[in-house]
Amino acid sequence: SQQGEEDPQALSIQEGENATMNCSYKTSINNLQWYRQNSGRGLVHLILIRSNEREKHSGRLRVTLDTSKKSSSLLITASRAADTASYFCATESNFGNEKLTFGTGTRLTIIP
Amino acid sequence: DAMVIQNPRYQVTQFGKPVTLSCSQTLNHNVMYWYQQKSSQAPKLLFHYYDKDFNNEADTPDNFQSRRPNTSFCFLDIRSPGLGDAAMYLCATSSIAGEVQYFGPGTRLTVL
Repeated sequence: SQQGEEDPQALSIQEGENATMNCSYKTSINNLQWYRQNSGRGLVHLILIRSNEREKHSGRLRVTLDTSKKSSSLLITASRAADTASYFCATESNFGNEKLTFGTGTRLTIIP
Repeated sequence: DAMVIQNPRYQVTQFGKPVTLSCSQTLNHNVMYWYQQKSSQAPKLLFHYYDKDFNNEADTPDNFQSRRPNTSFCFLDIRSPGLGDAAMYLCATSSIAGEVQYFGPGTRLTVL
């Protein structure tokens, strides 16, 4: 399977703390994306990082990409209760097959 | 607002009774995707359309079919639902294959 692995599977932190989740993948990629999913809802795109980029920021989000290790991390700073959700990484392989392969997800709970 | 709409949000069907889920988009995107997501799992791609070109995943059961009559609409037909087909079905669109995907809210399918 080309599915990515995320760790931890679940993470609980206090509001205001930083949350870090990691994604590993198996094939060479064109880009890696992070999505958020609130319970029972569709996914929402957060950030896209291309294979020639190493770090990207968007508001309280920071994403890093290490293509030599085939891994990425998502950091959420100053967490809020509204950040409680599942977070998925997704990769587009460089085979040009027009699709994303999603990781297993991290369930993040922010404790008020 | 431009968006991806899925109807119905909740669908209950009986074992073996055909069901159709619908997806519409106002984004005018070329690519439309159907995913199946079971509880606490990653979305699993069933198939996607690039314009009218249909791309089926190798492991998508024959029980699942799709139609895209025009750019805006896409349908998922489950010909004979089994208990194992109970899941959330997510529709997504993309203007460029492999890039950012915009998801609908999903249809929760229950099979009795």
